[in-house]
Amino acid sequence: GENVEQHPSTLSVQEGDSAVIKCTYSDSASNYFPWYKQELGKRPQLIIDIRSNVGEKKDQRIAVTLNKTAKHFSLHITETQPEDSAVYFCASLGDSSYKLIFGSGTRLLVRP
Amino acid sequence: NAGVTQTPKFQVLKTGQSMTLQCAQDMNHNSMYWYRQDPGMGLRLIYYSASEGTTDKGEVPNGYNVSRLNKREFSLRLESAAPSQTSVYFCASVMAGSYEQYFGPGTRLTVT
Repeated sequence: GENVEQHPSTLSVQEGDSAVIKCTYSDSASNYFPWYKQELGKRPQLIIDIRSNVGEKKDQRIAVTLNKTAKHFSLHITETQPEDSAVYFCASLGDSSYKLIFGSGTRLLVRP
Repeated sequence: NAGVTQTPKFQVLKTGQSMTLQCAQDMNHNSMYWYRQDPGMGLRLIYYSASEGTTDKGEVPNGYNVSRLNKREFSLRLESAAPSQTSVYFCASVMAGSYEQYFGPGTRLTVT
């Protein structure tokens, strides 16, 4: 079945450094790739997404890149701040237009 | 506009007991979803409803049933709770023509 693998499972960076989280997906028909941020005890919230017809998208300090040939996509956070500390989930839209398949999450810790 | 709401916030059940988790959205969204979140495993889809009157199985439907009561409400029922169903349950909804999932605050369920 469809699968999304996410790495690393934990990531610790110094404030101001960049953080990169990578995902691979199995379904070559996937065409939508969102990233969700979940703070401790809270609900997941969408922070950025990308469609398959675009290779890169930026929103201030956050960017997502997509390599459809390799079935990889990545989240890049620049100039990290302590409030970026959270669990980040990648996802891809599977063979149905309704079902998101999530990665297992990356716990990001930004050290002040 | 409350968004997506879930009740209860917390619940403790004994093995074999039944209960229904309630979810409602006031955003006039078409699609609704139930996920479970376990440590290190991300969000796994239990059931979804693409539109009022339809429901379909996700990745982990065993032990659960759902009802799309109307466009606003989508309930999840555990007929005979098992310790393996201890988890945090999230409901989500999606507007027609969009892919972004809006999550409720979650229900933390413990089965002893």
